[in-house]
Amino acid sequence: SAVISQKPSRDICQRGTSLTIQCQVDSQVTMMFWYRQQPGQSLTLIATANQGSEATYESGFVIDKFPISRPNLTFSTLTVSNMSPEDSSIYLCSVVVNLAGAFNEQFFGPGTRLTVL
Amino acid sequence: DAKTTQPNSMESNEEEPVHLPCNHSTISGTDYIHWYRQLPSQGPEYVIHGLTSNVNNRMASLAIAEDRKSSTLILHRATLRDAAVYYCILTMNTGFQKLVFGTGTRLLVSP
Repeated sequence: SAVISQKPSRDICQRGTSLTIQCQVDSQVTMMFWYRQQPGQSLTLIATANQGSEATYESGFVIDKFPISRPNLTFSTLTVSNMSPEDSSIYLCSVVVNLAGAFNEQFFGPGTRLTVL
Repeated sequence: DAKTTQPNSMESNEEEPVHLPCNHSTISGTDYIHWYRQLPSQGPEYVIHGLTSNVNNRMASLAIAEDRKSSTLILHRATLRDAAVYYCILTMNTGFQKLVFGTGTRLLVSP
């Protein structure tokens, strides 16, 4: 399994500012993802955080708005830039861990609840 | 990714079995069926997965229709802690899990 922590757990920010969210895993992992969960909605994949190279973004998400760093196999950051109230969401990181055989299970962090005023 | 359809919500009483359905009529032969659940104020957690045969683990059972166009997650004895949103997700294989979450089923469990 994998134990994932995120910092901060929650924050309230002013519009126009930026917030960097940290994701720490207790073991080395290859695949790491960032998701967004808007109020009352399901999860939407933002990007895949690639170690040593630029993140791979999903349609509708761009690097200028959500820059991602992945300096090593246990850590990643997601920055929400130039925030607006529409960015108020829960942001979650997840990792893929190889279990028995060919099965890879995805573990999720507890999430960062962001409110933008 | 093939689409899944789930009821928006279901209700159950504590200690009763719960059958959560999922339709995936466009599933391909190599798609795996995964179930995750999200407890209140937590990130999603893996429940079970399968390909063709029914599967059992300590959390639940997964019954897969013979034509694979539908599946059912079975909680044998619901507890209050099982109240969560349950997501049925298809992936092309188990090697790389890029999960696409639908709206899921919100399970309410009453004492």
